[in-house]
Amino acid sequence: AQSVTQLDSQVPVFEEAPVELRCNYSSSVSVYLFWYVQYPNQGLQLLLKYLSGSTLVESINGFEAEFNKSQTSFHLRKPSVHISDTAEYFCAVTPSGGSYIPTFGRGTSLIVHP
Amino acid sequence: GAGVSQTPSNKVTEKGKYVELRCDPISGHTALYWYRQSLGQGPEFLIYFQGTGAADDSGLPNDRFFAVRPEGSVSTLKIQRTERGDSAVYLCASSLYGGKETQYFGPGTRLLVL
Repeated sequence: AQSVTQLDSQVPVFEEAPVELRCNYSSSVSVYLFWYVQYPNQGLQLLLKYLSGSTLVESINGFEAEFNKSQTSFHLRKPSVHISDTAEYFCAVTPSGGSYIPTFGRGTSLIVHP
Repeated sequence: GAGVSQTPSNKVTEKGKYVELRCDPISGHTALYWYRQSLGQGPEFLIYFQGTGAADDSGLPNDRFFAVRPEGSVSTLKIQRTERGDSAVYLCASSLYGGKETQYFGPGTRLLVL
């Protein structure tokens, strides 16, 4: 079984400031890791994922996350946020085999202030 | 092309009633997933279809919940004898082949049981 902990339920930040959204997981098997974003009044959409290879993965809109196996973490970062980044962010983990069913964290609300 | 659609977008029912929630996946996607998202929580897996068959139904909370996908496309989630605790947003997602393929989420159906 897997579990995901997103320690921060809400992260307020000013525009153009850096941000880090924390995600820790636990699992007895190898895992794949994901970050999903949910903009207001929209469905969840995949932001980025780690399957294998380089532990640093990037999204097209400037977010990045680094898989740290020793610390069982997959924190999401952006060096300079925009108002449009205001959204709910969910970290998820799946086993790297079987039916690949994801376990989601409870989400972090990123609120970007002007 | 069209994304995942779900109907109705909102459903209000009375305790004890029967409800059906519909999901139209992206055309050609063989894998379909149902999740439930309670307020302040991340999505919680309910059931996964590969084609017409339920490949994993381990997330269904009890026998009041049932889902079908008779032709390998549209899926219906059925809830019998609804309870107030069933109130949540029910999400559907599809992916091309399942496994580690990206899941595409619908906007959800918000169910309120009075």
